[in-house]
Amino acid sequence: SYELTQSPSVSVSPGQTASITCSGDNLGNKYAYWYQQKPGQSPILVIYQDKKRPSGIPERFSGSNSGNTATLTISGTQAMDEADYYCQAWDSSTAVFGGGTKLTVL
Amino acid sequence: DVQLVETGGGLIQPGGSLRLSCAASGLAVSGNYMNWVRQAPGKGPEWVSVIYKEGSASYAESVRGRFTISRDNSKNTLHLEMKSLRVDDTAVYYCARDTRATGGFGAFDLWGQGTVVTVSS
Repeated sequence: SYELTQSPSVSVSPGQTASITCSGDNLGNKYAYWYQQKPGQSPILVIYQDKKRPSGIPERFSGSNSGNTATLTISGTQAMDEADYYCQAWDSSTAVFGGGTKLTVL
Repeated sequence: DVQLVETGGGLIQPGGSLRLSCAASGLAVSGNYMNWVRQAPGKGPEWVSVIYKEGSASYAESVRGRFTISRDNSKNTLHLEMKSLRVDDTAVYYCARDTRATGGFGAFDLWGQGTVVTVSS
């Protein structure tokens, strides 16, 4: 079965750039999606189709996807961005999620 | 406002059955691809099932044969019938819309607040 792998944690200082990666076999041939989840809340879509931002998501969130790796980049990270982030892709008719990356803003 | 509200979770013994519901407002479940996604404590989300606009369904291998997704168009509600429940089915269960029915490529762009299912003796 298809798997997506994320680093468990990433730390960043306020105002700096955070990069969160997601690896999967030939992931660049699929669309990657990214979700933000804060404690006790439902996931929120922050990036779709590799690099598009839904309405209401700040411009500091961006995405890319090539080869075996998709990357979520948060520029000028703010304290409010501290959360768990999950990548997702479709493998045939099955949605696959990564295990998540906890972003800490120190 | 577009909203999904799940109900029906609870504590159930292994081998038991439970029926989850997801009431939709501001969108028609019959016109969308509606999914169930679950999240075990401390884990990432796991896709469970989808019901397509035309009414057919697809399931994750881990639940196939035990879970059944359905919808009631008259009540604009999505259901998940769960049987032969196991301890590892313990999770928050979310209903979520994905965008494939409306020209997208499968983003989960709308989620409910979730309902907790605990399978334990």
